[in-house]
Amino acid sequence: KNQVEQSPQSLIILEGKNCTLQCNYTVSPFSNLRWYKQDTGRGPVSLTIMTFSENTKSNGRYTATLDADTKQSSLHITASQLSDSASYICVVSRYYGNNRLAFGKGNQVVVIP
Amino acid sequence: ETGVTQTPRHLVMGMTNKKSLKCEQHLGHNAMYWYKQSAKKPLELMFVYSLEERVENNSVPSRFSPECPNSSHLFLHLHTLQPEDSALYLCASSQELAANEQFFGPGTRLTVL
Repeated sequence: KNQVEQSPQSLIILEGKNCTLQCNYTVSPFSNLRWYKQDTGRGPVSLTIMTFSENTKSNGRYTATLDADTKQSSLHITASQLSDSASYICVVSRYYGNNRLAFGKGNQVVVIP
Repeated sequence: ETGVTQTPRHLVMGMTNKKSLKCEQHLGHNAMYWYKQSAKKPLELMFVYSLEERVENNSVPSRFSPECPNSSHLFLHLHTLQPEDSALYLCASSQELAANEQFFGPGTRLTVL
């Protein structure tokens, strides 16, 4: 079973609307959680990073939350734009080990005009 | 751009061909990675190099052969691939092996006929 589960797998939203993506994880011991954005035909690019003590972090119209007790994170996109169409990948890092990163399958977001 | 480049961006090859993927990072990082990204699957770590030494091989078939001649360059040599090897191959680098932020290249879209 994958240690990082994301939902919904895909969604379509109207331009200007908000949406929230979910990430649940079982990775332990937890070090940090990143959300990456991957545009079609490109590699993933980091949006936010959150450590154990952080509950929320924003990057422009993107706001990530973290509940380390329930092992859940969300990524909220405000006032979506066409350029937000992408895959959003949740990546959770373990505290030690060479292969520290556990990847989710991604949330595929399509913003339509 | 992330500072990690990959060539070619697209590759179509037959099962009997030999080809190579190239990755170059301009960030002065010490660790480099090869990932396989298939549709609707999490990124799969293939190989990890630290200071030009391979530190991890995640049970990858021998038809994939990595090479790291120096800390800025990483190759993936391909030989007698199978159609199920068709995927996006991503290269990444990080400051050091233990760093939890990786910078990804744009990937090579590989199709095996």
